[in-house]
Amino acid sequence: QSVLTQPPSASATPGQRVTITCSGSGSNIGSNFVYWYQQFPGTAPKVVMYRNDLRPSGVPDRFSGSKSGTSASLAITGLRSEDEADYYCASWDDSLSGVLFGGGTKVTVL
Amino acid sequence: QVQLQQSGPGLVKPSQTLSLTCAVFGDRVSSHNAAWNWIRQSPSRGLEWLGRTYYRSRWYHDYAVSVKSRITINSDTSKNQFSLQLKSLTPDDTAVYYCARGTAGAGPMDIYTWFDPWGQGTLVTVSS
Repeated sequence: QSVLTQPPSASATPGQRVTITCSGSGSNIGSNFVYWYQQFPGTAPKVVMYRNDLRPSGVPDRFSGSKSGTSASLAITGLRSEDEADYYCASWDDSLSGVLFGGGTKVTVL
Repeated sequence: QVQLQQSGPGLVKPSQTLSLTCAVFGDRVSSHNAAWNWIRQSPSRGLEWLGRTYYRSRWYHDYAVSVKSRITINSDTSKNQFSLQLKSLTPDDTAVYYCARGTAGAGPMDIYTWFDPWGQGTLVTVSS
């Protein structure tokens, strides 16, 4: 069971908005940056959000991130079929001195 | 362009030791702007960070609590590669194992948690 908690699934129709949450604690999200990874089947994860709310170059501005206290979220607006993937949050944990990943959220475009 | 190339067995017997190697191309394992990580993924455990090594005038190692008693990550600067050894394997260690660079994507703080690139992944099955 992951220390960072995500809903297992989320879905919306094309063009709609979907939001994924990631809940942690003071030793991880509460005191460190959150990163979001996108993963397609059979491939390695790729960062789509870093330092809570910053997009790497090449990631569409339909993706946005936020953090408040010990929770973070990733939102995708104007949902497209190519956004269908698994999404993972990640954060450093000061108590464990290691990286934690969330359990992952499968985003389905209906 | 940085690339990581993994090598190692896909099948290991219970109680044995897993050894995987990750060759680095386009960067140096001794770089002060990177860390070299091992991460695994399985349906039961999801994505799990195992540990890392990095060089800052000397070599440092950090390991996940869950595997700390069984894991060793080493580097070989002459071959520009790093390796994973995981002892006393059980079927619960069955997973896809990835090596990945912790990169200073936009600054040094990113090295902890921004992994890019990743190796191609090695499916390791623990079975007799």
